[in-house]
Amino acid sequence: AQKITQTQPGMFVQEKEAVTLDCTYDTSDQSYGLFWYKQPSSGEMIFLIYQGSYDEQNATEGRYSLNFQKARKSANLVISASQLGDSAMYFCAMGPYGNNRLAFGKGNQVVVIP
Amino acid sequence: DAGVTQSPTHLIKTRGQQVTLRCSPKSGHDTVSWYQQALGQGPQFIFQYYEEEERQRGNFPDRFSGHQFPNYSSELNVNALLLGDSALYLCASSLASGVNTGELFFGEGSRLTVL
Repeated sequence: AQKITQTQPGMFVQEKEAVTLDCTYDTSDQSYGLFWYKQPSSGEMIFLIYQGSYDEQNATEGRYSLNFQKARKSANLVISASQLGDSAMYFCAMGPYGNNRLAFGKGNQVVVIP
Repeated sequence: DAGVTQSPTHLIKTRGQQVTLRCSPKSGHDTVSWYQQALGQGPQFIFQYYEEEERQRGNFPDRFSGHQFPNYSSELNVNALLLGDSALYLCASSLASGVNTGELFFGEGSRLTVL
């Protein structure tokens, strides 16, 4: 079984600043995938970034980067140069490698202020 | 290129009724998963369909059932609705062969309210 923990309270971020969202996980799987999704008020889960547990380099996708520390079982999301459109809930998720059955955390609320 | 589409977007039912939600996967995807997201929570995995068969199932009662059609679209059926079934139901599509790439995309969801 997998467990994802996201415990940060809601965050206010100044526009153009960077923000780090914490995610820790627990799994008995030797290989697994880690995901981050953004969910605006519309409800759609928007894929942001993926990291495989065997990937040695941290994943990056545009303004998003994943700070993967396997020994600490953490997969923090860094959003650089925040924009007003980044205001949303952010979910960390994981699944066994080769399996898209995901376990999600409870999410982090981010509000970007001008 | 159409993404994942779900219908209806909103619906209201009463306790004991039955509901059917529909999902069309992203073009080229062959695997559909369904998730339930209660208010203030992260999504929870219900089940996954591939080649018209249920391949995996989460911890949900038999009142939750599904189907996948030859064109890869899928339905989620919930019988004997309870107040606790009120949630956003999300459909996600992927390629069975692409599960190691993180290519898993969600629709906008169907918001079900049970009165």
